[in-house]
Amino acid sequence: GQQVMQIPQYQHVQEGEDFTTYCNSSTTLSNIQWYKQRPGGHPVFLIQLVKSGEVKKQKRLTFQFGEAKKNSSLHITATQTTDVGTYFCAGPGAGKLIFGQGTTLQVKP
Amino acid sequence: EAGVAQSPRYKIIEKRQSVAFWCNPISGHATLYWYQQILGQGPKLLIQFQNNGVVDDSQLPKDRFSAERLKGVDSTLKIQPAKLEDSAVYLCASSLVTSGGKETQYFGPGTRLLVL
Repeated sequence: GQQVMQIPQYQHVQEGEDFTTYCNSSTTLSNIQWYKQRPGGHPVFLIQLVKSGEVKKQKRLTFQFGEAKKNSSLHITATQTTDVGTYFCAGPGAGKLIFGQGTTLQVKP
Repeated sequence: EAGVAQSPRYKIIEKRQSVAFWCNPISGHATLYWYQQILGQGPKLLIQFQNNGVVDDSQLPKDRFSAERLKGVDSTLKIQPAKLEDSAVYLCASSLVTSGGKETQYFGPGTRLLVL
C-alpha cells in the first residue's frame, strides 16, 4: 500500500540553527499537508500544498512540494524553543490521510 | 469556535477489560475520524464517518474495536476486550470540505489509554 516516509526521525539543534525535515511518498500525491504536534499535545494543521513545485512560507517556516508531487520538505530558519515538537507530513491515499512517522525536533536554548 | 472535544483524557485499564471513548466534533463538520497514535508513530486511521455512515474502516480491528456515530454528530469508540498493544493515544478529528475543495482536519486533545 501507499507509504509516506519522513527523515530524519529525530533532530537536535541549538537555538538559532536551521532545521529541515523531508517527506517522501511512494505514490504521486494530489496534495500534501503538514501538522505540528507539541509534546503531550495533538496534531495541529499547519499548511496544505497542492501545486507541483509550490513553495509557501509562514514566518520562519518554508514548505515546499516537489515537482513530481511525491516529496515535500519543511524548513525552519533560526529555530526557537517554541519550535519544539513533532512535525508530520500527510498525504491522501485510498480516500484517507496517510501520515508519515514524523520528525521530532528538540531545540537546545 | 469550540474545538473537537474528547473524553476521558486519560484511562488506565487492565487487559481484557472494556473501554469507551467519546468525541464531539466541531459543529457542522460532517466528517469524523478516529485515529490511533502509538508512541513515536504518526496517527493511523481506524475509522472515518461521513455524517452517520462509515466511509472507511479497513484498518479497524473489528474483532475488538467498534465505533458508532448514530445521529451524525458525536461518536464513541469502544475496545472490548483490550490488549496490551492497544496502549496508545486515540485521537478524534473532524473536517469540513470548503467550496474550494480544501479539507483540513482538526484534532481533539486525544485520550491516552494505558492497558496493564
